[in-house]
Amino acid sequence: KAGVTQTPRYLIKTRGQQVTLSCSPISGHRSVSWYQQTPGQGLQFLFEYFSETQRNKGNFPGRFSGRQFSNSRSEMNVSTLELGDSALYLCASSLGGTEHNEQFFGPGTRLTVL
Amino acid sequence: KNQVEQSPQSLIILEGKNCTLQCNYTVSPFSNLRWYKQDTGRGPVSLTIMTFSENTKSNGRYTATLDADTKQSSLHITASQLSDSASYICVVKSPRGGANNLFFGTGTRLTVIP
Repeated sequence: KAGVTQTPRYLIKTRGQQVTLSCSPISGHRSVSWYQQTPGQGLQFLFEYFSETQRNKGNFPGRFSGRQFSNSRSEMNVSTLELGDSALYLCASSLGGTEHNEQFFGPGTRLTVL
Repeated sequence: KNQVEQSPQSLIILEGKNCTLQCNYTVSPFSNLRWYKQDTGRGPVSLTIMTFSENTKSNGRYTATLDADTKQSSLHITASQLSDSASYICVVKSPRGGANNLFFGTGTRLTVIP
């Protein structure tokens, strides 16, 4: 079974631009979560989608948004990029049912904002 | 406040030696605790998961312990190998909610040298 895939793997943008990141979950997984990882803060939860609906949301500004398609693939969008948005963005998928569902992480997208 | 603290922040050991990483948490109520290994440039991969009633779980050379009374966990690595060089992240889940009820430590960066 293929793992979680994320595209692109690396991205360089300038301040003020916007960016869209993509995540394809493991086949059969209906939950997709997004995280921002920076050296000082560790993993910070952005949002979770389940069956095309945002189920949970972290404490990030409205510039960060996402969506999920009927095939469970998910996209994350960041508008008006700031230098502080430079980070590794990780996507994780799970079956989405019980509380013990393991999350499987993708390799991440490394975003650099200049 | 729900928090997960890991120590040490970084560790350097000689190949073949053992080491122990610590995780203290204040998350309540508690559902489960996972240890993840994250290689540089990759997403985290689950090593072990423990629920309230489990106090030891092994995965090859990795052994995790949990003391739910003192809210402490440790990850012991036996006979370290160069491939063990990675960040190790402790994640505690609270039973209610979805991915927003996962609390992440900032990780321990382990470097194994020959």
